[in-house]
Amino acid sequence: GAVVSQHPSWVICKSGTSVKIECRSLDFQATTMFWYRQFPKQSLMLMATSNEGSKATYEQGVEKDKFLINHASLTLSTLTVTSAHPEDSSFYICSAQGQGAWNEQFFGPGTRLTVL
Amino acid sequence: LAKTTQPISMDSYEGQEVNITCSHNNIATNDYITWYQQFPSQGPRFIIQGYKTKVTNEVASLFIPADRKSSTLSLPRVSLSDTAVYYCLLMDTGRRALTFGSGTRLQVQP
Repeated sequence: GAVVSQHPSWVICKSGTSVKIECRSLDFQATTMFWYRQFPKQSLMLMATSNEGSKATYEQGVEKDKFLINHASLTLSTLTVTSAHPEDSSFYICSAQGQGAWNEQFFGPGTRLTVL
Repeated sequence: LAKTTQPISMDSYEGQEVNITCSHNNIATNDYITWYQQFPSQGPRFIIQGYKTKVTNEVASLFIPADRKSSTLSLPRVSLSDTAVYYCLLMDTGRRALTFGSGTRLQVQP
């Protein structure tokens, strides 16, 4: 099946710094990618929809200036957490949608962010 | 968006069959019922999908009654490695994100 990778798999940073997370579709092109956040013992919550070549669409309550999303190519979307704070510590997961008619989504392995 | 309701948790023992039921009373005509599995600190993994009646693959079976207002994921002879969270979702052909409910946390004991 289709493979989605994320890098890094985990990151620890100091409060106030910025962190970039990459999401790549390895063997298919993805015009649409999604970014989710998951806190411990909770479900996945959609943060934003990333469309290649256009601005991302953010969910209500998600600060677009804090969580910068760039989808510069059909295989890469990046999420940058700017001026990270401890409350941003979470598990960030991306998914990529294939180009077939079917709404099949493939998830990355996730990135564990810890802000000290 | 149509919502789904699942039990929060279930316990089982190795070798048993586990059935997880999901309610989706407001399912739309274009919705397919899809189940994902998630292990701790990993992304969700697709298990099975169906529209009506019964679907079976090498991992699980999915039973969907005629009214489609519920569905049951059946895991035959579970093992310890099946301990995970199982999510029931409704998917259509639209290019939208998935809406995850609370999921069912399955704990398999030896």
